[in-house]
This record gives sequence, structure tokens and C-alpha cells, in this order.
Amino acid sequence: DTAVSQTPKYLVTQMGNDKSIKCEQNLGHDTMYWYKQDSKKFLKIMFSYNNKELIINETVPNRFSPKSPDKAHLNLHINSLELGDSAVYFCASSRLAERDTQYFGPGTRLTVL
Amino acid sequence: AQSVAQPEDQVNVAEGNPLTVKCTYSVSGNPYLFWYVQYPNRGLQFLLKYITGDNLVKGSYGFEAEFNKSQTSFHLKKPSALVSDSALYFCAVRGSNDYKLSFGAGTTVTVRA
Repeated sequence: DTAVSQTPKYLVTQMGNDKSIKCEQNLGHDTMYWYKQDSKKFLKIMFSYNNKELIINETVPNRFSPKSPDKAHLNLHINSLELGDSAVYFCASSRLAERDTQYFGPGTRLTVL
Repeated sequence: AQSVAQPEDQVNVAEGNPLTVKCTYSVSGNPYLFWYVQYPNRGLQFLLKYITGDNLVKGSYGFEAEFNKSQTSFHLKKPSALVSDSALYFCAVRGSNDYKLSFGAGTTVTVRA
């Protein structure tokens, strides 16, 4: 069984569209994260939820909205997509008490045309 | 603010030779330091961490890292590199009261046969 899974794996879309990326973990963790990795492989945290509560909210455009329906899921919705949103988006999870040992999903490669 | 610097974009070594990947950090208070590895088209995997205690930390796949407080460094080492160690390596840091990890820009390691 995959520990942290993301769908879709690839997402190609036009500028201005709205899209969502889903993330699920079956590790029993209480904390989940979204990271963005740009074309230069630079990795930056975007959001983190603990028990469905937002605990990290970095400076990202408000076009990005995370939603956590339960502890095992953290989805990322992006409105009005722009060219600069093209990147690989990684979901990760951990226990809050062990938040340094994060388990990453395989990533979603988003390409905005 | 916390930050990590990985001064080398690329490290190339021959199989069987020692491998070192450099990392320096900046953080308020005591540092919590980490190394993650990313294989091609995969999410990051946790390698090792330093929280407190011995300055030499041992991790997965034969890797170790040495914490040096005076030099604010946390270099990753492996005595004898394998071709399968070829990957992108990220150093990360957080302060003891922080929730988020700050990642370095990554170092691409290529081990040639």
C-alpha cells in the first residue's frame, strides 16, 4: 500500500483554469504538508495542517487554497492558474511530535500552458 | 529567520570513493538539522537528523552527518559511494520552536562506475 499518494501524477492545463490536487496518507499521521518544487528543484513549504487545523501558511497567492476534510486528506485547490504555477507539488505527512521525519508523496507535475 | 546553504550544485565522485555533501545553516537557538534524498521522479526520503547528543549522526543507506556548531555546518558523508547513491540531496533546518523545515537548494550527486 502506498503511504502517501497524490492524484493526479501529471496535470496539464490552460492559464486561467481552476484545478485541484488530492493527497491521502494511510500512515495514521496527524499532520500534512504541501510543498512546491520549482524548475530549479528549490523546495518550499506552502501549507501545513494538524488535525484539520492550519498551522503553517506561507506567503503564497490566495489563489491557492488547501482543504483538509479529515486527518488523512489534504487537498490543494488552485484558482486562475498562471504560467508561474508550473512546478512539482509534493504532499507530505508526519506525526506532529515527529514533524521532522516527513513522508513525501510522489509529486504532481503541474504544467500551465 | 532560518536558512540553509548548500554551496555545491553538483558533486561528482567515482564509485568506491568517499562522498561529502556540504551544508551550512543559520537559525535562532538550537538547530534541528536534517538530510533528505530525492531520487529521480520521486518524493523526498528522510535520511537522518541531528537534534541533540553526539555530533556524528548515522542514518540510512550507510550515510552519516557531522554537526559542527562552531562552523554552523552539517555535512553529509558516506565512506564509499555507490552508483545507486546518485540523487538530489537536500539539507534542512528548523529552530526548536518552529513548525516548518527550511530546505536548501539541493546538491545533485553523481556517482560514476
